[in-house]
Amino acid sequence: GAGVSQSPRYKVAKRGQDVALRCDPISGHVSLFWYQQALGQGPEFLTYFQNEAQLDKSGLPSDRFFAERPEGSVSTLKIQRTQQEDSAVYLCASSLTGGPNYGYTFGSGTRLTVV
Amino acid sequence: AQSVTQPDIHITVSEGASLELRCNYSYGATPYLFWYVQSPGQGLQLLLKYFSGDTLVQGIKGFEAEFKRSQSSFNLRKPSVHWSDAAEYFCAVGAGGTSYGKLTFGQGTILTVHP
Repeated sequence: GAGVSQSPRYKVAKRGQDVALRCDPISGHVSLFWYQQALGQGPEFLTYFQNEAQLDKSGLPSDRFFAERPEGSVSTLKIQRTQQEDSAVYLCASSLTGGPNYGYTFGSGTRLTVV
Repeated sequence: AQSVTQPDIHITVSEGASLELRCNYSYGATPYLFWYVQSPGQGLQLLLKYFSGDTLVQGIKGFEAEFKRSQSSFNLRKPSVHWSDAAEYFCAVGAGGTSYGKLTFGQGTILTVHP
């Protein structure tokens, strides 16, 4: 597609519910990132994929967070047993190569509200 | 570890006035530096980036930024602000070398433009 597509745009979850957030990167983009942006803050790195390989998951805040990209294109970020502190905008970004040269293309994000 | 500081949380300027948004970074090697803009409910759009070479970088929408290694700064400037520039601006630093370029963002500066 022309850009990075994320769905849903908005998600309201009850505390304890599991959620799944989807990211469709730009076709052919090798690198895919997930970032978490809390209200009033800059985005914070969660995890990185190169094709289907998850090369860095150091930013995932707890073992309730899990990300996958099984075929090297679409990625899903799953949060189990959601907590109020998980409320944030989750941004996905993709890049053609594995290096920083391009400056990534970001999606519009999924705003998660846990009530 | 790399870090970014944006000292100004909120800046207000009049339309047509000049603008400078400050960014200071901390990184042990040559940094990759970026400025992104985020409108409400939107993802991040890349304004400009610096990797090497000329320390004055031109970007989209009439923005420019100057890399000053001695001051660890990468300030964003625009000579004449338009009302459509009202948004939140994020400075980011990416690891260079063989890294895949995970980005570390500042907290952002909200720009308000008065008519």
